[in-house]
Amino acid sequence: GAGVSQSPSNKVTEKGKDVELRCDPISGHTALYWYRQSLGQGLEFLIYFQGNSAPDKSGLPSDRFSAERTGGSVSTLTIQRTQQEDSAVYLCASSKYRGTEAFFGQGTRLTVV
Amino acid sequence: AQTVTQSQPEMSVQEAETVTLSCTYDTSENNYYLFWYKQPPSRQMILVIRQEAYKQQNATENRFSVNFQKAAKSFSLKISDSQLGDTAMYFCAFMNRNNAGNMLTFGGGTRLMVKP
Repeated sequence: GAGVSQSPSNKVTEKGKDVELRCDPISGHTALYWYRQSLGQGLEFLIYFQGNSAPDKSGLPSDRFSAERTGGSVSTLTIQRTQQEDSAVYLCASSKYRGTEAFFGQGTRLTVV
Repeated sequence: AQTVTQSQPEMSVQEAETVTLSCTYDTSENNYYLFWYKQPPSRQMILVIRQEAYKQQNATENRFSVNFQKAAKSFSLKISDSQLGDTAMYFCAFMNRNNAGNMLTFGGGTRLMVKP
C-alpha cells in the first residue's frame, strides 16, 4: 500500500481479554516500530524489528505484551489479559532502513472497559 | 538515556501570525537527529522538519524553521504565516544514531490552536 496501515482503527475490549493489533508497513521497509501513546501524552517506544534480526523488546512494559513480524512484513502486537491502564493509542511506524525517516500509521485506539 | 521536554502544553496563535514552540533535550551523544512531528486529529504522525546534529545550519521547510542550539540542547520550531490547518499536536523527537534501533524519543507534545 501507499502508507502504513493499521487495523482495527478502534478496539473496545473487556478487562482480562486478549487483543491483537495489526500493522502493515510500507512495502520494502525493513524497520518496523511500535509505540504507545497514552491520553494526552507523548509516544513511548515499545518494540523494534529490523529485517530478520531478533527484535528489540526493551520498551515492552510487561510480559503481557508481545509482538511478531512474519516474513519481514506484517506485524502483530498482542496484549494478553488486558488491563485498564493498557488503554491508549498504539502507533506503528516503518522506515526503509534504520535511521531514515519513519512513516506512521493512523494508530489503533484501544479502550479496555 | 535521552529525555525530551516540551514545556508548553498548549499554545494559540492568530491566523497569519508567527508562533514558536519550545523543545529541550538531554543527551550525552554527539551523533543524533532531531525532529518535529505534527499529529492532527486523524492521529497520524506527520514529519514536519528534521535537523542533523552535525549541521550548524538551521533546517527550513517552507513556513517551518527551527532554531537549533546544540550547546544549549534546544530545538525550537517556528511556524510563520500560521494557517488553520496547522492546528494539531506537535511533538519534538530525538533519534540517537549510535543506537542500533534508532527508535525515537518523544517529548510530551504541545497542542497548537490557530485561531481565525
